[in-house]
Amino acid sequence: DVKVTQSSRYLVKRTGEKVFLECVQDMDHENMFWYRQDPGLGLRLIYFSYDVKMKEKGDIPEGYSVSREKKERFSLILESASTNQTSMYLCASSITTGFYEQYFGPGTRLTVT
Amino acid sequence: QQQVKQSPQSLIVQKGGIPIINCAYENTAFDYFPWYQQFPGKGPALLIAIRPDVSEKKEGRFTISFNKSAKQFSLHIMDSQPGDSATYFCAASRSGYALNFGKGTSLLVTP
Repeated sequence: DVKVTQSSRYLVKRTGEKVFLECVQDMDHENMFWYRQDPGLGLRLIYFSYDVKMKEKGDIPEGYSVSREKKERFSLILESASTNQTSMYLCASSITTGFYEQYFGPGTRLTVT
Repeated sequence: QQQVKQSPQSLIVQKGGIPIINCAYENTAFDYFPWYQQFPGKGPALLIAIRPDVSEKKEGRFTISFNKSAKQFSLHIMDSQPGDSATYFCAASRSGYALNFGKGTSLLVTP
């Protein structure tokens, strides 16, 4: 089975801190994604990557950056965390974009105080 | 701008009922329409998906109906069970691009 793991289930950070969220997939997938999930807003795409060192902005990239140095690992970085970035963050991977299933990790609940 | 509009936001049905969740889209270039199911504390998981060359697809108790001319698609859950209680997301994309998700429907199936 495809497995997507995220480094933390729960994280509490202070305003202004630099935050790293890590995601690892074990199926040699080309594409990886970061979403945030908020009640009533669904899943919103922050960034995605279709290859190592490649990245594309999603719908809400402001305040975030990403890094993909290895195929299996995709990191989301909050350069200076703010309270409006308190959310559930979901990582996903897929063989490629288009008609292929996205596999999601369990999510990281980030609270910024 | 929400590219996929999903309704209702929440739904309560009795066991054995047939909940229906509806989605609408505007971009006629979309050619892949999946539904994801999410249980509390878990990430979403693919439930069923359809391409626009068919009008209906069934997998077990789950059916997608697709109306290309109306740019709408819906999920029907036959003989719903309490274990189907979850949040359901519709999505749409065009080949080679990322998925656009609806806002989700929270379904509760009562015993």
